Amino acid sequence: GENVEQHPSTLSVQEGDSAVIKCTYSDSASNYFPWYKQELGKGPQLIIDIRSNVGEKKDQRIAVTLNKTAKHFSLHITETQPEDSAVYFCAAGGTNAGKSTFGDGTTLTVKP
Amino acid sequence: NAGVTQTPKFQVLKTGQSMTLQCAQDMNHNSMYWYRQDPGMGLRLIYYSASEGTTDKGEVPNGYNVSRLNKREFSLRLESAAPSQTSVYFCASTFSGGGWGNEQFFGPGTRLTVL
Repeated sequence: GENVEQHPSTLSVQEGDSAVIKCTYSDSASNYFPWYKQELGKGPQLIIDIRSNVGEKKDQRIAVTLNKTAKHFSLHITETQPEDSAVYFCAAGGTNAGKSTFGDGTTLTVKP
Repeated sequence: NAGVTQTPKFQVLKTGQSMTLQCAQDMNHNSMYWYRQDPGMGLRLIYYSASEGTTDKGEVPNGYNVSRLNKREFSLRLESAAPSQTSVYFCASTFSGGGWGNEQFFGPGTRLTVL
């Protein structure tokens, strides 16, 4: 089955700095790579996703890049704000009943 | 549009007790999932239902059973709760098909403690 590794597990940045979270996956059949944000006490919520036919996608301050050859993808957040503080999960999958395998999460803290 | 709803929000059980976690979605999604979330371990898939009438085991199915009651509802049952099942449980749904994955929509979670 799919195996997803996510790094780092914790990340602390100053407000206004950039944050980068990286994930690797093992199954070359995976074609869907979402990123979810989870705030305290809530369920995860999608912030951006990318499909395997695209190398990069951007939405305002967040962007995702995908390297299919190396089987890794990254989340980039620019101009971080305190409200970006949360746990972020990457996932990979999509081809089998819509299932995704999740990374273990990154706790991002943005210091004012 | 309520999205994905889960009941109850909190539950405390004694070892050996049984309970059913309820989940419903109003987005006409065909696929539904149950995950558990433990500290530092991300989301692990317990069971899933690709479509109405089908259910399959995920990564950690032992100690659980599920029922896809209809297209909207997917329940998770603990027959004899154990302390190792203390966790936060999330239900999710998506439209699957067409060869591509899609966003999963998550419920607010059920926080379960087994004493």
